[in-house]
Amino acid sequence: AQTVTQSQPEMSVQEAETVTLSCTYDTSENNYYLFWYKQPPSRQMILVIRQEAYKQQNATENRFSVNFQKAAKSFSLKISDSQLGDTAMYFCAFMKQTSYDKVIFGPGTSLSVIP
Amino acid sequence: DAGVIQSPRHEVTEMGQEVTLRCKPISGHDYLFWYRQTMMRGLELLIYFNNNVPIDDSGMPEDRFSAKMPNASFSTLKIQPSEPRDSAVYFCASSLRLGQGAPEQYFGPGTRLTVT
Repeated sequence: AQTVTQSQPEMSVQEAETVTLSCTYDTSENNYYLFWYKQPPSRQMILVIRQEAYKQQNATENRFSVNFQKAAKSFSLKISDSQLGDTAMYFCAFMKQTSYDKVIFGPGTSLSVIP
Repeated sequence: DAGVIQSPRHEVTEMGQEVTLRCKPISGHDYLFWYRQTMMRGLELLIYFNNNVPIDDSGMPEDRFSAKMPNASFSTLKIQPSEPRDSAVYFCASSLRLGQGAPEQYFGPGTRLTVT
């Protein structure tokens, strides 16, 4: 069974600084997808960034980028130039590619951006 | 598109009552998911459908929970009878599988259920 671990329950960062959220996962699959979802206080879940395991290049979406280390089963999220609107819970998630399967979510990291 | 629509947004009910949560997925999406979120257990998948057919309901906690998807534009999650431990935020999400790219799930705003 797949598991997703986020070892940092809470983090904080100064506005305009850079922060990295950690995520590790456990799987015997070779082909899969990884995601970071954001849940702000409004509780609306929003996709931040996604990565296909077969792609070696790390995904980037504006100020958000990932460091995907397949051998280490690590998938960290870097937020550059942090903004107050980045304050939210961040969930790392995993899904097998072989069949459209359920998404396994990590426990989340609560990020606070401090003015 | 209006996104995934859920109703009601808030529901307060007494133990033993029947509760029905509703979801309208994004038009054209072929997958629909029901999640439950609590502080203790995080985000849990309860059940998901593909083309209106239930694929995996292993996350449904017990027989008091049931879900249906009578057509592509509507799904319900029913709890009968409800218990205080069912208090949580229930999310509906939908997605469309296209090719080999990582599929995005679009979440609704959630229904906050309180059972007293």
